[in-house]
Amino acid sequence: DGGITQSPKYLFRKEGQNVTLSCEQNLNHDAMYWYRQDPGQGLRLIYYSQIVNDFQKGDIAEGYSVSREKKESFPLTVTSAQKNPTAFYLCASSPPGARNGYTFGSGTRLTVV
Amino acid sequence: QKEVEQDPGPLSVPEGAIVSLNCTYSNSAFQYFMWYRQYSRKGPELLMYTYSSGNKEDGRFTAQVDKSSKYISLFIRDSQPSDSATYLCATNAGGTSYGKLTFGQGTILTVHP
Repeated sequence: DGGITQSPKYLFRKEGQNVTLSCEQNLNHDAMYWYRQDPGQGLRLIYYSQIVNDFQKGDIAEGYSVSREKKESFPLTVTSAQKNPTAFYLCASSPPGARNGYTFGSGTRLTVV
Repeated sequence: QKEVEQDPGPLSVPEGAIVSLNCTYSNSAFQYFMWYRQYSRKGPELLMYTYSSGNKEDGRFTAQVDKSSKYISLFIRDSQPSDSATYLCATNAGGTSYGKLTFGQGTILTVHP
């Protein structure tokens, strides 16, 4: 079955540590996205990528980095510069065209310990 | 002011009730409107998609768009406990935005047996 796989499901980060969240899709979608979800704030866009080797900052990119070396993969690194990283992170993908909705992964819960 | 405003609730209704979920938006360029349903600790899933003003029905769900007042609604008839979830409205401007969705904050719905 086609879909998006996020791993790990739960992740714990120590202060000052970088961590990488994995996102893989087998839907052959061109565009991929990373969102952060906090209670009462909905989904906020961190980064998005329309094609391989290209990506753009979203609304809250500070303290995060991404890469898009393969169409199927869009990993997100939460760096030590991100001061409040505890959140639910969602990866999504979509085919070309503005009217297509996203397919979301099941999310990664990141907690700072 | 957020581009898409949604009352976060929480909203609690008895089984069988008609539920009305609403969003307002400020950007006249928004053309495509979607509703996502998100169960606890899961990724959102696309529930309804509309383009033009008017109603779109799918089973117990009806999506309504009024572009003149920049108002979108989701109605759930004969609500069931399995409808308990967070409902997110989302919209997209089309053109060069390439599918980049703007989400509302989400409304938490609980349907009591």
